[in-house]
Amino acid sequence: DAGVTQSPTHLIKTRGQQVTLRCSPKSGHDTVSWYQQALGQGPQFIFQYYEEEERQRGNFPDRFSGHQFPNYSSELNVNALLLGDSALYLCATSGRQGDTEAFFGQGTRLTVV
Amino acid sequence: GESVGLHLPTLSVQEGDNSIINCAYSNSASDYFIWYKQESGKGPQFIIDIRSNMDKRQGQRVTVLLNKTVKHLSLQIAATQPGDSAVYFCAENMGGGFKTIFGAGTRLFVKA
Repeated sequence: DAGVTQSPTHLIKTRGQQVTLRCSPKSGHDTVSWYQQALGQGPQFIFQYYEEEERQRGNFPDRFSGHQFPNYSSELNVNALLLGDSALYLCATSGRQGDTEAFFGQGTRLTVV
Repeated sequence: GESVGLHLPTLSVQEGDNSIINCAYSNSASDYFIWYKQESGKGPQFIIDIRSNMDKRQGQRVTVLLNKTVKHLSLQIAATQPGDSAVYFCAENMGGGFKTIFGAGTRLFVKA
């Protein structure tokens, strides 16, 4: 079992650009949550996907959007990047509609310059 | 508003001693609590969880205590080892797939 995998591991983008981050869930998991973790802070919930729909959303602007595919994998898209979007983006997956412990991927380190 | 906070941002312990990391939460509707360990450059790793119908749960070298009366959560690590050095986060969840709220974290240093 490969666990939760995220790609890419590191990424550098310019302000105003768009970025897509990817997440493959742990085997047997159907719920995907995305988090943003700024340096020295705890992860902040962005949104959660279940059955290919956004089920829950945190306090993030519409520039942050996502998608879940039939195989439960997910993408996080961020448009019009700002310097403040620089962070570690974490994907967490869980089973049984999200009501179990979540397993995290290693994250994607996004740097906006 | 909802928040999960930690009492101490940094904790330093001697190898072999027991560690206690504390956490306060404010959402009385939360019914599921989790402790995560995060090492540098890695994603958070699940340590132990506890549901609100319990007040104590034990794992391998770790124990989580939940005091719902004062909305307090603690993580006890027995015989702390250098490999336990990391940032520890408590997190709360209202269950049913609701979002998980993380605190800012406590950095644990283990002195050899």
